[in-house]
Amino acid sequence: DAGITQSPRHKVTETGTPVTLRCHQTENHRYMYWYRQDPGHGLRLIHYSYGVKDTDKGEVSDGYSVSRSKTEDFLLTLESATSSQTSVYFCAIRPTGLNYGYTFGSGTRLTVV
Amino acid sequence: ELKVEQNPLFLSMQEGKNYTIYCNYSTTSDRLYWYRQDPGKSLESLFVLLSNGAVKQEGRLMASLDTKARLSTLHITAAVHDLSATYFCAVFQPNDMRFGAGTRLTVKP
Repeated sequence: DAGITQSPRHKVTETGTPVTLRCHQTENHRYMYWYRQDPGHGLRLIHYSYGVKDTDKGEVSDGYSVSRSKTEDFLLTLESATSSQTSVYFCAIRPTGLNYGYTFGSGTRLTVV
Repeated sequence: ELKVEQNPLFLSMQEGKNYTIYCNYSTTSDRLYWYRQDPGKSLESLFVLLSNGAVKQEGRLMASLDTKARLSTLHITAAVHDLSATYFCAVFQPNDMRFGAGTRLTVKP
């Protein structure tokens, strides 16, 4: 989507290494989210942020940390990557107004070998 | 804990046929979303349903919400190949949006 970008788009990493994924928005939205998508599970929330330096855990937060030092950037870190964290990661923003669905980034496909 | 169940998980249809995807959820919510995802792509917002009895239509897709039954439906009318995708419902709760597992729809000629 034009207002939200994720990087990298693809990454292969080794078990035990730290990995950071970046989400950047240009629309100044307060709420940002990190989800992971796995077959049969839909999307599951990892962490979310409701402002600069304000973050909280989601449904599947173990092994992940986040940081938000600027409104536009929300970083997801896998502290020590494991094979179970192989997944597609999506960042999302919540637009202002009730009549709009969340806007998702293009996703990062992460493979832990 | 909020649980969201979609069915069917897989749906193969012929062009021109009608079908309905169901989304049941376990606790009260005032907002329900439907998304579409094409293979290898991101999620695209289709509908936001905000109140009991809400009905929204876009082309061959129509979504409805019954908050008392905790049920939303996505009805497909006269399916065409371009509708082949995975469809997700998602139920809003404060600071989260809980997704169903998705329905993979394939429309065959």
